[in-house]
Amino acid sequence: GENVEQHPSTLSVQEGDSAVIKCTYSDSASNYFPWYKQELGKRPQLIIDIRSNVGEKKDQRIAVTLNKTAKHFSLHITETQPEDSAVYFCAACGSTLGRLYFGRGTQLTVWP
Amino acid sequence: DAGVIQSPRHEVTEMGQEVTLRCKPISGHDYLFWYRQTMMRGLELLIYFNNNVPIDDSGMPEDRFSAKMPNASFSTLKIQPSEPRDSAVYFCASSYRDGYTFGSGTRLTVV
Repeated sequence: GENVEQHPSTLSVQEGDSAVIKCTYSDSASNYFPWYKQELGKRPQLIIDIRSNVGEKKDQRIAVTLNKTAKHFSLHITETQPEDSAVYFCAACGSTLGRLYFGRGTQLTVWP
Repeated sequence: DAGVIQSPRHEVTEMGQEVTLRCKPISGHDYLFWYRQTMMRGLELLIYFNNNVPIDDSGMPEDRFSAKMPNASFSTLKIQPSEPRDSAVYFCASSYRDGYTFGSGTRLTVV
């Protein structure tokens, strides 16, 4: 099956700085890559996703890039705010239809 | 749509007791997933269904765990007998094609 690696496991930034979280995947057939944000005590929620026919996607302060050749994708958050503090999970949908494979998560802390 | 609905939100039970967690997926979603989340193990997939049929239960830790989906609008995860190491947050998620929608989770504490 698919194997998704996520780095770093923890990330601390100053408010206003940028944050980057990186993931790699193993299944070259993977074609859908969502990112989830989980605030403390809450459910994971989809914040952005990208499909394999697109190299980059932006939504206000967040963006995701995909490099299919290298099999890695990244989440970029610009102008970070304290409310961005959460655990972020990357995921990949591979050849096993319907199933997402999740990374281990990144705890992002934004200091005011 | 009310989203994925899980019950109960919190459950405290004594070791050895039976625990049943419930999930109502989003109408029209054809996949349903049960996850367990702990600090040590992160998000673990326990079992998932497609059109009410179990597809992969290899993540179910032991025979003490069982899951059913009798119809498209309801699923249960049962632990019998429960043990302290089962303490975790259990999430149900449903999907149609791609992105998952997670329920609010059930925080299970076994004492």
